[in-house]
Amino acid sequence: GAVVSQHPSRVICKSGTSVKIECRSLDFQATTMFWYRQFPKQSLMLMATSNEGSKATYEQGVEKDKFLINHASLTLSTLTVTSAHPEDSSFYICSGSLTQGADPYEQYFGPGTRLTVT
Amino acid sequence: GEDVEQSLFLSVREGDSSVINCTYTDSSSTYLYWYKQEPGAGLQLLTYIFSNMDMKQDQRLTVLLNKKDKHLSLRIADTQTGDSAIYFCAEVMNRDDKIIFGKGTRLHILP
Repeated sequence: GAVVSQHPSRVICKSGTSVKIECRSLDFQATTMFWYRQFPKQSLMLMATSNEGSKATYEQGVEKDKFLINHASLTLSTLTVTSAHPEDSSFYICSGSLTQGADPYEQYFGPGTRLTVT
Repeated sequence: GEDVEQSLFLSVREGDSSVINCTYTDSSSTYLYWYKQEPGAGLQLLTYIFSNMDMKQDQRLTVLLNKKDKHLSLRIADTQTGDSAIYFCAEVMNRDDKIIFGKGTRLHILP
């Protein structure tokens, strides 16, 4: 199947700093990319959906000024957590889709990035 | 509202069958999915079932759907050590809708 990578896999940052997470589709062009967040023992929650070249669509309750998403190319999307706080510590997972829309059968997930804010 | 519930932990002996259960609340779900997450890896779609089906079998995997009770189960026959992972149940209403995930069930295999 299609492969999605994330970098870094783990990051620790100090409170107040910003951190960028990259999501790359390695062997396919991802028209749509999704960013999820997972707290321990909680389900994955969709944060935002982005189509290449367009502004991301954020889910209710997700601050777009805090979680900046850029989908500049068909193979790369970035999530920047700005002015991070300890409550932003979480596991962030991206996925890429070959077609517009959110058909789960065509979403390919990255391995996730664990962010710890101290 | 949207809610998918599943137990957090299941322990099974190698060679036995594993049954992971899930309940969902939205009766208009059209697709129901099982994802597998191994340590350090992304979620992999394991299998899915359309809401107009009540059973789907794929090698060692059997999915049962009870639409009346909004209950979905995943049975893994002859459980192996490689089946050790977290299994997520998920639903989606329409093709363009977001996926609603459960919290995941960690399957632990006993020797």
